[in-house]
Amino acid sequence: GQSLEQPSEVTAVEGAIVQINCTYQTSGFYGLSWYQQHDGGAPTFLSYNALDGLEETGRFSSFLSRSDSYGYLLLQELQMKDSASYFCAVRDNYGQNFVFGPGTRLSVLP
Amino acid sequence: DTEVTQTPKHLVMGMTNKKSLKCEQHMGHRAMYWYKQKAKKPPELMFVYSYEKLSINESVPSRFSPECPNSSLLNLHLHALQPEDSALYLCASSQDGAGMAEAFFGQGTRLTVV
Repeated sequence: GQSLEQPSEVTAVEGAIVQINCTYQTSGFYGLSWYQQHDGGAPTFLSYNALDGLEETGRFSSFLSRSDSYGYLLLQELQMKDSASYFCAVRDNYGQNFVFGPGTRLSVLP
Repeated sequence: DTEVTQTPKHLVMGMTNKKSLKCEQHMGHRAMYWYKQKAKKPPELMFVYSYEKLSINESVPSRFSPECPNSSLLNLHLHALQPEDSALYLCASSQDGAGMAEAFFGQGTRLTVV
């Protein structure tokens, strides 16, 4: 089986930096992905880590520590449009299955 | 083309109706997924098709019946649903195989069962 944990809510102001953590327990771990979902919209892919370390994509960075079963998504220079739910997700079961964490609702205040 | 297209966008059906949800992608992806999402919850996996064969069925009730006519199409047939089945149904696709990081999601079908 698999389980993932994330904080349920995070609030920050425009221009700030926020970190959303994810811990996981899973069999056959292949990597940790991050998805953004605005209310009423579809999840969209943000970032992926298969190996330990930091991946940077514009204002978003993602980190993975496989030994700690832990990762985080770092959002810099926050903008109002970043208000959304953020999900970590793992591929397991020999890569057949995307399983999502419970999601973190980010609110960006002016 | 990096789109996953789902139809219809909205569906209202009675508990005795039969309806189908459709999903299409032309990215050459060989894995396709159905997810169910309730408000303020994460997407919950229902079915996975890999190379047009059902590879995972997450103990979904038989009133939901998936079908993969070809590598670009995925259907979800609905019959005798319950009001608690009302949710957003998301289709996704990805390149098959371990290490593939990204799933592409359609905009979903918002289903209401009355």
